Amino acid sequence: DGGITQSPKYLFRKEGQNVTLSCEQNLNHDAMYWYRQDPGQGLRLIYYSQIVNDFQKGDIAEGYSVSREKKESFPLTVTSAQKNPTAFYLCASSIGYRGQETQYFGPGTRLLVL
Amino acid sequence: AQTVTQSQPEMSVQEAETVTLSCTYDTSESDYYLFWYKQPPSRQMILVIRQEAYKQQNATENRFSVNFQKAAKSFSLKISDSQLGDAAMYFCAYRGGGADGLTFGKGTHLIIQP
Repeated sequence: DGGITQSPKYLFRKEGQNVTLSCEQNLNHDAMYWYRQDPGQGLRLIYYSQIVNDFQKGDIAEGYSVSREKKESFPLTVTSAQKNPTAFYLCASSIGYRGQETQYFGPGTRLLVL
Repeated sequence: AQTVTQSQPEMSVQEAETVTLSCTYDTSESDYYLFWYKQPPSRQMILVIRQEAYKQQNATENRFSVNFQKAAKSFSLKISDSQLGDAAMYFCAYRGGGADGLTFGKGTHLIIQP
């Protein structure tokens, strides 16, 4: 089955620790995105990538980093510089990067700070 | 920057009745796309319906339809014959013609009463 997978489902971070959230898709989509969702809020864009080896900052990129070495994979690292990382993180992809392309979402990862 | 506003934090409807969720947006772009996503308790984001701004005809998907008023920058979602499975958070989202991500509203929690 084609789709987007995110792992782990739950992730715990200690103070000062970097953690990496995985996002993999087998839809052969060129574009991938990371969003953050806080309670009672909509999603906010962290980073996006239109093509392999290229990515751009979204609205709330501070404290996060990404890589796009393979078309299928777009991991997100939450660094120690992110002071309030507790949130639900959603990865999405679309076949292309133009505005009309629908974004499809993975099941999400909940990150909690110990 | 574009903004999306959902003025109804929560709506309640009896099963089999019709409900309309409101969404307004602010943009200076002429080329853009609008979406409604559903987020059930599983937190998976599911596309409900999409509308291209250049199309005058309102989009329809089975029991779901939109009322797109471009001049008023309004994009409401009508759900007919509401079913228990429709209970979820509903998010309105905007995307310009460029290459960045979606801008989301804060969501409306839809309750279906049996």
